[in-house]
Amino acid sequence: AQSVTQPDIHITVSEGASLELRCNYSYGATPYLFWYVQSPGQGLQLLLKYFSGDTLVQGIKGFEAEFKRSQSSFNLRKPSVHWSDAAEYFCAAQGAQKLVFGQGTRLTINP
Amino acid sequence: GAGVSQSPSNKVTEKGKDVELRCDPISGHTALYWYRQRLGQGLEFLIYFQGNSAPDKSGLPSDRFSAERTGESVSTLTIQRTQQEDSAVYLCASSSQGGYNTGELFFGEGSRLTVL
Repeated sequence: AQSVTQPDIHITVSEGASLELRCNYSYGATPYLFWYVQSPGQGLQLLLKYFSGDTLVQGIKGFEAEFKRSQSSFNLRKPSVHWSDAAEYFCAAQGAQKLVFGQGTRLTINP
Repeated sequence: GAGVSQSPSNKVTEKGKDVELRCDPISGHTALYWYRQRLGQGLEFLIYFQGNSAPDKSGLPSDRFSAERTGESVSTLTIQRTQQEDSAVYLCASSSQGGYNTGELFFGEGSRLTVL
């Protein structure tokens, strides 16, 4: 079955530290891949997406993600996090039809 | 409107009552999704509408849940005989594209349902 897995439920990093959030997918073919962010009290916002081409994609707010076909992964990264990055992050994938989300990773930032 | 609009924003109901949640997608968006998000949980797919195609209802958790969409406009999610486990935020999202080429999903603020 098509699925998206985010292995880390909760991650805590210090402000200014680097960040990597993991995402793995299980699809018959390479799906379209997305990262969304849900800040406290706000709706979901698209950070970035991968359809094809360059496997390193740049998004908003200084985020990037790398698609690795061999690992069925699409990990989200940021070189230096800010306190405002504290939020819930969702990886999503779309195959032939519906968009499926992972369970999310909650990011906490220590001052 | 400028974005996806959902109503009501908050709904408190008694167990066993029926509720209707409404979603107004962005004008011209052919794809519309409903998701459920329980407290502290991820997004659970419920149903997907794409143009005039038959909807993908594979995520509806029981026959108490149903949804309709009028053409490419408003959608209504109906929950009959609500149970406490139905308490969640129900999110609607729309996209200008569907199928194997979806564009960005634009989400509404959600309808928070509390079943007492």
